[in-house]
Amino acid sequence: VVMTQSPLSLPVTLGQPASISCRSSQGLVYSDGDTYLSWFHQRPGQSPRRLIYRVSNRDSGVPDRFTGSGSGTDFTLRISRVEAEDVGVYYCMQGTHWPLTFGGGTKVEIK
Amino acid sequence: QVQLVESGGGVAQPGRSLRLSCAASGFTFSSYGVHWVRQAPGKGLEWVAVISFDGSKVYFADSVKGRFTLSRDNSKNTAFLQMNRLTLADTAVYYCHSESGSSGVVFDYWGQGTLVIVSS
Repeated sequence: VVMTQSPLSLPVTLGQPASISCRSSQGLVYSDGDTYLSWFHQRPGQSPRRLIYRVSNRDSGVPDRFTGSGSGTDFTLRISRVEAEDVGVYYCMQGTHWPLTFGGGTKVEIK
Repeated sequence: QVQLVESGGGVAQPGRSLRLSCAASGFTFSSYGVHWVRQAPGKGLEWVAVISFDGSKVYFADSVKGRFTLSRDNSKNTAFLQMNRLTLADTAVYYCHSESGSSGVVFDYWGQGTLVIVSS
């Protein structure tokens, strides 16, 4: 399954919203009815960290300015008000079909 | 405190082998799968493989299938990635990763990564 993210690069003003799109080449609904689409954030020089699992569930400690949504083959990660600590690369990943696959990443930077 | 610590990275010639280890502590390692994810220099994340909690199931990315194998020793809270017939394209930082997002258990743990360089 090919995961296509857009945009590749996203310059954002502090305090402004940001939105990242992720499209899968196949539907991501698993046989159990759940959709295994996650979002990860990686700061420069650090290991990735999961922000969102199963489309819209925030991981522990993730600020509520991060929201995941979508269904089928179209998914979105929204940041309501970008803060300086949000810079880095964001990846979507599908966990429904083998082999698992990541999107190519979206680099968020501050204008 | 939860930790995943990778080791075993280094420099290897094309065609040779390396074995990576992922030592876990601070959580019930034996109850969860372990993924390996790699990142080539300056590139994005690539999922490599996963081994189930008991080692009975393994899955691989097409790019490593037939060359890489997985194992784990739950008595030592350690997972292993055996990398054979290495190619230049295997050069990357390799992360081990354990996660759960269902059955009421939610966590996401990553190691710090270990660098593998394949070079002649």
